[in-house]
Amino acid sequence: QVQLQESGPGLVKPSETLSLTCTVSGTSISFYDWTWVRQPPGKGVEWIGNIYNSGSTKYNTSLMSRVTISVETYRNQFSLNLRSVTAADTAVYYCARVVDGFDIWGQGTMVTVSS
Amino acid sequence: DIQMTQSPSSLSASVGDRVTITCRASQGITNYLAWYQQKPGKGPKLLIYAASTLESGVPSRFTGSGSGTDFTLTISSLQPEDFATYYCQKYNSSPFTFGPGTKVDFK
Repeated sequence: QVQLQESGPGLVKPSETLSLTCTVSGTSISFYDWTWVRQPPGKGVEWIGNIYNSGSTKYNTSLMSRVTISVETYRNQFSLNLRSVTAADTAVYYCARVVDGFDIWGQGTMVTVSS
Repeated sequence: DIQMTQSPSSLSASVGDRVTITCRASQGITNYLAWYQQKPGKGPKLLIYAASTLESGVPSRFTGSGSGTDFTLTISSLQPEDFATYYCQKYNSSPFTFGPGTKVDFK
């Protein structure tokens, strides 16, 4: 079955870049669209952005100036880069597949922004 | 951007109760509405898409209805495993905004 797994540093310093990878198994990454979502501790869910199987992207306008989502097809992975982070970027970050909503999710990875 | 609201923000219920959660979009989104369930320490789980289509494996006690701007998630008979937070999400176009959530806990 299709599975997603997030990976990356759990601690990032303020002003640096948060970089996460989502590894997809059970299907080719080329067949679907993919997304990143985050959830600050005790708060709701925020959509970050999508990458489509065409290679195009859509981002949350509140993050657009700092975010890049890219795909590494040969590794069956897609990635999130969020630049110039602050404490407000502390959250659990999830990757998910885009099919009629977001149908399959990774387990999530906690990223703390702190010096 | 289209805003998503949910009501109530929280509710207390007992096993066997019928529970209804409402989601409203600030503009029409036809039926591009999904519902998710999230339990503590876990990621959201897709329950319903296209406003009323049950995701595979989701119990039939969950039903969704609505179109346009007003949507409802109903749990016909609340089970112990249903105590969780529920989110709606619009996915007709970017941004794919989630509602603020409704927490369902024990009465």
